[in-house]
Amino acid sequence: NAGVTQTPKFRVLKTGQSMTLLCAQDMNHEYMYWYRQDPGMGLRLIHYSVGEGTTAKGEVPDGYNVSRLKKQNFLLGLESAAPSQTSVYFCASSRNVGEDNEQFFGPGTRLTVL
Amino acid sequence: RKEVEQDPGPFNVPEGATVAFNCTYSNSASQSFFWYRQDCRKEPKLLMSVYSSGNEDGRFTAQLNRASQYISLLIRDSKLSDSATYLCVVNNQAGTALIFGKGTTLSVSS
Repeated sequence: NAGVTQTPKFRVLKTGQSMTLLCAQDMNHEYMYWYRQDPGMGLRLIHYSVGEGTTAKGEVPDGYNVSRLKKQNFLLGLESAAPSQTSVYFCASSRNVGEDNEQFFGPGTRLTVL
Repeated sequence: RKEVEQDPGPFNVPEGATVAFNCTYSNSASQSFFWYRQDCRKEPKLLMSVYSSGNEDGRFTAQLNRASQYISLLIRDSKLSDSATYLCVVNNQAGTALIFGKGTTLSVSS
């Protein structure tokens, strides 16, 4: 069982370039999430989805867009990358929310914007 | 007040020690509480959920005090393998997502 996978694992971009991060889960989970993690800042929610075709803003959505066209995939796009978006990006999924609904995380994407 | 606050540490303890981490949260309507563990340069993984009555899983005990909006994690008989960052997690206002604390770093030495 692959769980949650993320591609790519590493990427270096120049300021102004665009890219898409792909998250895939094979657990038939309804909920999917994108976080960024920076030193001293902890995990911060960028966008999330409560089901196929839905998206919602999290704590730090500016500069990012997302799409959930298929239940198993959640894409995070950076239209014009900035150095402030250098971070580690984690995708997660969960069956539901509430007690005992564990979020499963992917291994992360390390992005550097020069 | 930040939504979820933790003492960042680091906590440096010898093997066999008992160590406790505390966490406070700001949303009195929160219903779901968790502790996650994150190893260096790895993804977070669920350690345990936290229930109103308190719960134990082996050497780990979690407590919840709703009146004080306070969560704790107690680790008994620390092992080298317990060295990690421990994240306190609470559901958001809408109940649709989780809010993570910045984490408390534990280092267990021999």
